Amino acid sequence: GAGVSQSPSNKVTEKGKDVELRCDPISGHTALYWYRQSLGQGLEFLIYFQGNSAPDKSGLPSDRFSAERTGGSVSTLTIQRTQQEDSAVYLCASSPRTRSEQFFGPGTRLTVL
Amino acid sequence: GESVGLHLPTLSVQEGDNSIINCAYSNSASDYFIWYKQESGKGPQFIIDIRSNMDKRQGQRVTVLLNKTVKHLSLQIAATQPGDSAVYFCAERETNFGNEKLTFGTGTRLTIIP
Repeated sequence: GAGVSQSPSNKVTEKGKDVELRCDPISGHTALYWYRQSLGQGLEFLIYFQGNSAPDKSGLPSDRFSAERTGGSVSTLTIQRTQQEDSAVYLCASSPRTRSEQFFGPGTRLTVL
Repeated sequence: GESVGLHLPTLSVQEGDNSIINCAYSNSASDYFIWYKQESGKGPQFIIDIRSNMDKRQGQRVTVLLNKTVKHLSLQIAATQPGDSAVYFCAERETNFGNEKLTFGTGTRLTIIP
């Protein structure tokens, strides 16, 4: 079946602009995660959605970052007033239930000039 | 703070040989550990996982070993193939329900030499 998809695959933007990154999880998966991966680094947790529960936003690095998940499916990660240090690959993952394997999408590579 | 780290950042192995990738963790509250493989330009791909009530788990050509006494995790890949070349990450998750985030190590780049 279809895996996790993310769009766009690449995004180049100018410093100060806002960007939106989209994640389509695997159908039926109730949990959705966003991670950030800087060049040559491991993955940094950003935010987690589980069903109708309040999201775990503990990993968001600043108030310029926000995310929403509509209808328990598609999620959008928004970065306002982008900075050069926001340049990274943003990865989305979903899992069928709490405390189970996470399936990752291919990521969106964000470059802030 | 707690961290998950790797002993070696790079590893080169002759094709056909076995490889071992090591990982140290320091969070004693972690009860679930995962190994992911990430190829260039792709998202991480699940390889194998292990819960803290086990010390060994085997998959196809892969074995994960967990030593809770010294907080050490390893991934063994048998009879390596060129397609095994990738970056390998270990990740851990805490016991507490409601805390679902994974903490990842920085990764080990495995290169299989033909």
